[in-house]
Amino acid sequence: AQSVTQPDIHITVSEGASLELRCNYSYGATPYLFWYVQSPGQGLQLLLKYFSGDTLVQGIKGFEAEFKRSQSSFNLRKPSVHWSDAAEYFCAGAKTSYDKVIFGPGTSLSVIP
Amino acid sequence: DSGVTQTPKHLITATGQRVTLRCSPRSGDLSVYWYQQSLDQGLQFLIQYYNGEERAKGNILERFSAQQFPDLHSELNLSSLELGDSALYFCASSPDSANYGYTFGSGTRLTVV
Repeated sequence: AQSVTQPDIHITVSEGASLELRCNYSYGATPYLFWYVQSPGQGLQLLLKYFSGDTLVQGIKGFEAEFKRSQSSFNLRKPSVHWSDAAEYFCAGAKTSYDKVIFGPGTSLSVIP
Repeated sequence: DSGVTQTPKHLITATGQRVTLRCSPRSGDLSVYWYQQSLDQGLQFLIQYYNGEERAKGNILERFSAQQFPDLHSELNLSSLELGDSALYFCASSPDSANYGYTFGSGTRLTVV
């Protein structure tokens, strides 16, 4: 079945440290991939998306993600984490541009001052 | 403010009752998506409407129904409510029927007692 997995349920990093959140997908062809962030009590906000082309995509709030077909991964990175980045992060994917978007289980990020 | 408006923000109701959740999409967006978020199931796609017509269906129970009106707002109707229906219900919108990233509302928290 087509799915998106996020191996890490919870991650804690120190403020100013680098961050990498893992995401793996199981779509056959090049899927449509997304990262969303959900702050407490808020809806989800789109950080970035990948459809094709350059495998390194830049998003909002200083985030970037790299698509690696050989590893079926789409990991989210940020070079220096801020306390305000503490939130729930969801990787999501769709087989084509018209398929339903499936969300991963999410990774909860805590930031230590 | 994402531009997607969901009402009410909170809803407490008894088992067996029926409720209606409302969503106004971002201005200009033609597609509306409904998602259910719970601790055990994560984010589950329920249904998509595009310009008034049902476009895709996910894990939506028969007790649930939705529609999109000519002014493009959408309503999700939940009937014969059970304790397990307690969840956050999100509405998202996009300009067309393709997956180029959604704009989410802040959700309706439904508590069934």
